[in-house]
Amino acid sequence: GAVVSQHPSWVICKSGTSVKIECRSLDFQATTMFWYRQFPKQSLMLMATSNEGSKATYEQGVEKDKFLINHASLTLSTLTVTSAHPEDSSFYICSAADITRGDTQYFGPGTRLTVL
Amino acid sequence: ELKVEQNPLFLSMQEGKNYTIYCNYSTTSDRLYWYRQDPGKSLESLFVLLSNGAVKQEGRLMASLDTKARLSTLHITAAVHDLSATYFCAVDPNRDDKIIFGKGTRLHILP
Repeated sequence: GAVVSQHPSWVICKSGTSVKIECRSLDFQATTMFWYRQFPKQSLMLMATSNEGSKATYEQGVEKDKFLINHASLTLSTLTVTSAHPEDSSFYICSAADITRGDTQYFGPGTRLTVL
Repeated sequence: ELKVEQNPLFLSMQEGKNYTIYCNYSTTSDRLYWYRQDPGKSLESLFVLLSNGAVKQEGRLMASLDTKARLSTLHITAAVHDLSATYFCAVDPNRDDKIIFGKGTRLHILP
């Protein structure tokens, strides 16, 4: 099936630093990708929609200046958590749909961010 | 506001037993997804249900969709320990791939 990868898989950083997370579709092109965050033992919450060649659209309550999204190509979206704080610690998951394979969203393996 | 409610949220059961997880959603959606998540892992797609009355089966899991009742079920038959995981249902009401998830059902199957 389609593969979506994320890098890194786990990152620990100090408070105040910025962290970039990459999401790649490995065998298909995705004009749209989605970023979710998941706190421990909770569900996934949609953060934003990443659009290739245009600005991302953010869900209500998500700070666009805090979570910078860049969708530079049809196979890569990046999420940068700027000036990270401990409350940003979470599991970040991206997803993309391969429109040639029907209506299934493919999820990346996730990136666990721990901010000290 | 769209709500996706799963019931139960936690389930512990013996191997060999049957059980059904329910997913209710509050607005019209003709796309209903079921995912599995193992601890520390991402989501694995189980089923995509696209029409009223759709029924899909894979191994010991069977999912159904009633769009009129805004209800989907995930039925587990003769549970085995390997099915222990968290199961999420999700909908895409606007057909824009922006998926809204339920809170998940944590399933623990005792050997």
